[in-house]
Amino acid sequence: GDSVTQTEGLVTLTKGLPVMLNCTYQTTYSPFLFWYVQHLNEAPKLLLKSSTDNKRTEHQGFYATLHKSSSSFHLQKSSVQLSDSALYFCALSDYGSSGNKLIFGIGTLLSVKP
Amino acid sequence: GPKVLQIPSHQIIDMGQMVTLNCDPVSNHLYFYWYKQILGQQMEFLVNFYNGKVMEKSKLFKDQFSVERPDGSYFTLKIQPTALEDSAVYFCASSLEGAPGNTLYFGEGSRLIVV
Repeated sequence: GDSVTQTEGLVTLTKGLPVMLNCTYQTTYSPFLFWYVQHLNEAPKLLLKSSTDNKRTEHQGFYATLHKSSSSFHLQKSSVQLSDSALYFCALSDYGSSGNKLIFGIGTLLSVKP
Repeated sequence: GPKVLQIPSHQIIDMGQMVTLNCDPVSNHLYFYWYKQILGQQMEFLVNFYNGKVMEKSKLFKDQFSVERPDGSYFTLKIQPTALEDSAVYFCASSLEGAPGNTLYFGEGSRLIVV
């Protein structure tokens, strides 16, 4: 069945440094990939999404490129800010199920220090 | 942006009792979802719902679980009776359309503790 793997549970960085959060997925269908961000005591919110192979998508300084050849959708930012500290979830949907069922990774907690 | 409201935010309940978790989805959305998250684990799909019917449910959606949305009211998840393993955060979500690739909007979650 479908699955999403996020290899880092916790990433700790100093403000201003670049970050890459890893996401790989498994599906036999054409995928739709999402990154959701959840700040403390808030709802998970969509950060960005893509279904187009090899096309970079960007939002709020974050960017990701779906690579179907490697089944990856890594999230990057060139310079993290304190306000980026949050939990980041990668998620997948496809036409293999009824309706828009998202499969989530376990999440990566990003902690940005001054 | 669009908001999904969940009530209650927290509830502690005795094992065997019934609990109803309420969700007020985004006003013009037609598709509704429940997800379950046990501490330290990923959010897992429970069920999706459209036009008064369950479209798909996972193996986590036990017989003790039920969902409904009576006209114009909350989308609810009812657990009857509750078990210790039902302790988790339950997230409600909604979307305008149901095809893959459409954005799900989530609530802040209802933390359920079964003792």
